[in-house]
Amino acid sequence: AQSVTQLGSHVSVSEGALVLLRCNYSSSVPPYLFWYVQYPNQGLQLLLKYTSAATLVKGINGFEAEFKKSETSFHLTKPSAHMSDAAEYFCAVSDETRANNLFFGTGTRLTVIP
Amino acid sequence: DTGVSQNPRHKITKRGQNVTFRCDPISEHNRLYWYRQTLGQGPEFLTYFQNEAQLEKSRLLSDRFSAERPKGSFSTLEIQRTEQGDSAMYLCASSLRLAGLFYNEQFFGPGTRLTVL
Repeated sequence: AQSVTQLGSHVSVSEGALVLLRCNYSSSVPPYLFWYVQYPNQGLQLLLKYTSAATLVKGINGFEAEFKKSETSFHLTKPSAHMSDAAEYFCAVSDETRANNLFFGTGTRLTVIP
Repeated sequence: DTGVSQNPRHKITKRGQNVTFRCDPISEHNRLYWYRQTLGQGPEFLTYFQNEAQLEKSRLLSDRFSAERPKGSFSTLEIQRTEQGDSAMYLCASSLRLAGLFYNEQFFGPGTRLTVL
């Protein structure tokens, strides 16, 4: 079975500060891992993905994530938060044996304080 | 706009009524997925199609739910005898599955928010 756990349902950072959103995964096969962002009343937008290539993945809007197999983690970071980063962030896991069906975490709401 | 579209965006209905949602995927995409997202939770997989064939259904998809993709293009999700617990955002996603490619990125629509009174 596959699952992800997102630690912290709410994270607040000051504008310009480091953003760190945590995700740990569980998978019996090599996983594919994703971070999505969701703005209010909108669908999901892919920020970045890990599909067994480079372990440090760079995404859109200055976000990046590092796949650490030993820690079963895929934490999302951004060096400097912007007001426009305020949104809900979801980590998800998938694999090729499950037709790439996505299994999402419960989400982390990011608040950026001016 | 060539993204995934969903209609309606919002639906309010009374308990016991039937509702139908539509999803139009990106035109060349052969896979189509339905997810349900309740308040404060991440999306949960419901079902997916490859072309017109429905290949997997989650146990979340009770017998009151039915999905179709008759011509391998748009899809409909129908909920019969709606219950208050069906209130959620219903998300559709599509992807292009190519032979020999192990991963196919899913593109999400804006969702249909269902409220059952």
